[in-house]
This record gives sequence, C-alpha cells and structure tokens, in this order.
Amino acid sequence: DAKTTQPPSMDCAEGRAANLPCNHSTISGNEYVYWYRQIHSQGPQYIIHGLKNNETNEMASLIITEDRKSSTLILPHATLRDTAVYYCIVRVDNYGQNFVFGPGTRLSVLP
Amino acid sequence: GAGVSQSPSNKVTEKGKDVELRCDPISGHTALYWYRQSLGQGLEFLIYFQGNSAPDKSGLPSDRFSAERTGGSVSTLTIQRTQQEDSAVYLCAQRSGANVLTFGAGSRLTVL
Repeated sequence: DAKTTQPPSMDCAEGRAANLPCNHSTISGNEYVYWYRQIHSQGPQYIIHGLKNNETNEMASLIITEDRKSSTLILPHATLRDTAVYYCIVRVDNYGQNFVFGPGTRLSVLP
Repeated sequence: GAGVSQSPSNKVTEKGKDVELRCDPISGHTALYWYRQSLGQGLEFLIYFQGNSAPDKSGLPSDRFSAERTGGSVSTLTIQRTQQEDSAVYLCAQRSGANVLTFGAGSRLTVL
C-alpha cells in the first residue's frame, strides 16, 4: 500500500521544467516525502526528500504544500537523460520501516 | 548504484533448480533491503535486514525464498526449486545514515 498517487505518465520538452505531482492526502505528521527515479535497466536512484519545507539540491527541487497533502518534484531543465520512472514515497524517518514503491510516473523527455 | 555490488548480473536457470544471488554492500551500513522487479512492473519488497537479523521478511513470496546476512555485510538471497514466475530483476539496497537507499544494479534472473 503505497499511500501515494501519481499520474502514470508525463511528457516534457527537453530544456523545459518537468513538474511531477504526487498526492499523499493521508500523510502523517512524522512522515517524510521521498523521491526516487529509475532509469531503464538500472536500480532506483535517490533524488530528494523533505518533511514540510521546500527543498532543493543539485538534481531537483521539492515543493510540499502547506497542508502536506501533495508535493511536486521539479526538474528545472529536463534533459533526455532524465527520462525515467519517478517514484514518490512517504514514510517516517524510522530505521525500522520499509520503503514502499508504487507504480510511479513514467516521464518521457522529448527532443 | 555506486558502492553496492550484486552478482551475478545475469542468471539463466532451468525450472526446478536452486539459485543464489549475492549482495555486497558498502561496509559500515547496517540496513540492507531486497526487492524484486518483474518485467514492466514496480518494485516489490522482499526482506529487510538490520545487522544480521531480519525484522521484516513479510515480502518473501513463498517458503522457497530465503535470505541471510553474515557479518553485517554480505547478503545472499536463495530461491529453491525455481519457477518461471520467479523471473525478475532482484535488487539489493543499503540505507545510509541520511536514511536514503542506495541500490545495486540488480541481478536479472530468467527461469526457463
């Protein structure tokens, strides 16, 4: 039970920002939002995570709504190499809990 | 993923044979996870290790599947009497101090 819903697929033009939404309406106060991506034939790769504040790193930005019921992963200038399946996960920051991956969003960056 | 090695990268076996898949994580990281991914499907959790013990093995699909970890490091996933539905990519991941997962490249198992 992934606790998140994401669109199954999205397209984005190369060079444009890719905005990937995730709904997590039942998120608890101590649950973080994590994003991973999986490029074809590779293991998933961590991108970013956050609790309630917006976060930015060298790969992406994470925008979490004030009520924390949804979030958006932003790839500011998408490249062809960003074509992948993007997974949004919510979990407590607890070493004993599993990471549950849903079906994710298949992002296709088009030339 | 950098630091997590899995072997073999590809394994083709006949139905009914046993297979063993190996995961070599970066030393010093105590938590290790096994997932599998069938063709075109999402990741399916199998088992999680904390040190050498497995607090959560709820994802193992049948008693033909077992896993162990020794010395808090190397882990092996064993599938006995393989079936065609066992064909998948088996992924190992370790959890870092930042509480994120670093995955290996996976072992692709094909059962004929």
